[in-house]
Amino acid sequence: DAKTTQPPSMDCAEGRAANLPCNHSTISGNEYVYWYRQIHSQGPQYIIHGLKNNETNEMASLIITEDRKSSTLILPHATLRDTAVYYCIVSPGAPGQGGKLIFGQGTELSVKP
Amino acid sequence: SAVISQKPSRDICQRGTSLTIQCQVDSQVTMMFWYRQQPGQSLTLIATANQGSEATYESGFVIDKFPISRPNLTFSTLTVSNMSPEDSSIYLCSVVLRGGLQSYEQYFGPGTRLTVT
Repeated sequence: DAKTTQPPSMDCAEGRAANLPCNHSTISGNEYVYWYRQIHSQGPQYIIHGLKNNETNEMASLIITEDRKSSTLILPHATLRDTAVYYCIVSPGAPGQGGKLIFGQGTELSVKP
Repeated sequence: SAVISQKPSRDICQRGTSLTIQCQVDSQVTMMFWYRQQPGQSLTLIATANQGSEATYESGFVIDKFPISRPNLTFSTLTVSNMSPEDSSIYLCSVVLRGGLQSYEQYFGPGTRLTVT
């Protein structure tokens, strides 16, 4: 499985966009990029995933570079409730198609007033 | 999405004993997994719970220590056997749902916080 590299921590001002980077330089063609977050004392929460194209949903946007070696999760207007550990994961195929999520250390995002 | 419940939510156990954790989902799911999260650490995949057959364990985890059952498509149990303080962790159940054509999403339960004394 491809490994990911994320900064261990980041700060963001409330109301501003939070841009969380992830490097996955060894990603292979059939591997998806997933983002999850874990708010303290809760189970991880699915945010978004993508293969090649940029994706957007009600929570966030995912920007994947053309060579797919890195990606950025964007929270457009961060709130205090977005304070969490954010995990970038690459998985060979989608879950249910042989893929399984292997978690790295993630980025601890602190949103400050 | 899926509603996942785990029982117990937390427990304090004595070393040498065993604890069985239950995971119940409100809909039939294609896959179920068990993870462990040690204090201050990220999640580690223990095993894939297979319906009607033996679980598939990740490196470093064995059936004798973490027996798993999955009798149907909505329920699974994880037993932590012969516990030691090193087993103190949060244990999380996770399920995969088909979100749409060629799309799958994985959801996590609230976790069971286990402390072994």
